[in-house]
Amino acid sequence: VHLLESGGGLVQPGGSLTLSCAASGFTVTDFSLGWVRQAPGKGLEWVSAIGGYGSDASYSDSVKGRFTISRDNSKRMLYLQMNSLRAEDTAIYFCAKYFHTTGCSHLDYWGQGILVTVSS
Amino acid sequence: QSAPTQPASVSGSPGQSITISCTGTSSDVGAYSCVSWYQQHPGTAPKLIIYDVTNRPSGVSDRFSASKSGNTASLTISGLQADDEADYYCSSYTTSNTRVFGTGTKVTVL
Repeated sequence: VHLLESGGGLVQPGGSLTLSCAASGFTVTDFSLGWVRQAPGKGLEWVSAIGGYGSDASYSDSVKGRFTISRDNSKRMLYLQMNSLRAEDTAIYFCAKYFHTTGCSHLDYWGQGILVTVSS
Repeated sequence: QSAPTQPASVSGSPGQSITISCTGTSSDVGAYSCVSWYQQHPGTAPKLIIYDVTNRPSGVSDRFSASKSGNTASLTISGLQADDEADYYCSSYTTSNTRVFGTGTKVTVL
């Protein structure tokens, strides 16, 4: 299993950015995928998740209405469209894969993370 | 959604056992048996070490064990080793169909 994020960088407050995550080594439709972020020197924050076929998208309250998660299984890609970015969105963004147990799901594989900096 | 509370830091000497608590609410930790724990060394991605409250993924040392009572989950590291020095986070599914991470605990091996 390998997850590789791309698309990070510096963006001005109020701007937009799209993160991508290339997935390999597993049957992508069998697993939910998601994003977790970590502000510099801070803890982990769950951001969003999406089901194997692109259904059941969910978001944290802090990004709901501004961020959109999507996936293209034919390309084995996960995306995070980020709009109306704020300084507090500055963080390393990790792409991660869920594995499913009875009634639960947990993040078993993670990408290396990519830095998003929101600053003027 | 507030993050479950963990102690900011816990320390122990090599060979000792330490326990990290994760106190949430009836809307997250207390609602389901969907609690997991992650270990994160500086500059690296988190690693899953416990899932479904008590289960260890293949390859994770049996020195790591966990439990849950009510709204509080706990992670115990036995036989503390230098490589256990890292940040640890609990995580839980919530009644809002979201997930939440705990505030995180820095473990120091003295």
